[in-house]
Amino acid sequence: AQSVSQHNHHVILSEAASLELGCNYSYGGTVNLFWYVQYPGQHLQLLLKYFSGDPLVKGIKGFEAEFIKSKFSFNLRKPSVQWSDTAEYFCAVNHNAGNMLTFGGGTRLMVKP
Amino acid sequence: GAVVSQHPSWVICKSGTSVKIECRSLDFQATTMFWYRQFPKQSLMLMATSNEGSKATYEQGVEKDKFLINHASLTLSTLTVTSAHPEDSSFYICSAAPLGRTNTEAFFGQGTRLTVV
Repeated sequence: AQSVSQHNHHVILSEAASLELGCNYSYGGTVNLFWYVQYPGQHLQLLLKYFSGDPLVKGIKGFEAEFIKSKFSFNLRKPSVQWSDTAEYFCAVNHNAGNMLTFGGGTRLMVKP
Repeated sequence: GAVVSQHPSWVICKSGTSVKIECRSLDFQATTMFWYRQFPKQSLMLMATSNEGSKATYEQGVEKDKFLINHASLTLSTLTVTSAHPEDSSFYICSAAPLGRTNTEAFFGQGTRLTVV
């Protein structure tokens, strides 16, 4: 079965610091990749997605992610975080057309003002 | 964007009672919806795939008689937690993707926080 690993469970940064959250998956075939964010008390929101094409994907709120097929990775980055980026971030993968997602364990980000 | 609505947002029930959670796609149709469960400080775990007009597909370890799923129409799936116990307390989230669209992400409901006392 496929699995998704997020290496950082908790990250604490100061405002303006750069962010990189790791995500690796285990499935060897064609995959669709997603990053979702969950702000406190809110539902999941899509940050960005990769289906095909340019492996560097730009999402909302200044986030981007790079798909490196050889490393089975889809790391999330943001050059300069803000206090409002405090949230939990989930990497997710699906490898079928049914939109069933396998989620990573999540990374809780806290940005200090 | 597409909207998925869950109801209720939170519910408290007594141990032994049943609770029904609704998941509606408001502006699109979906033959398939997914039910996830999220424990505190943990990730989302897929419980089951809800299929319109047929039986749900449950993930390993999920009791189908405990978590009854009905997908009666292309816009509504329900999850009923039967004979709830405190260990069923959790955050339940549904998702759906628009019928007939390829390369689209799933849209999530706002979740239902169930507390069994």
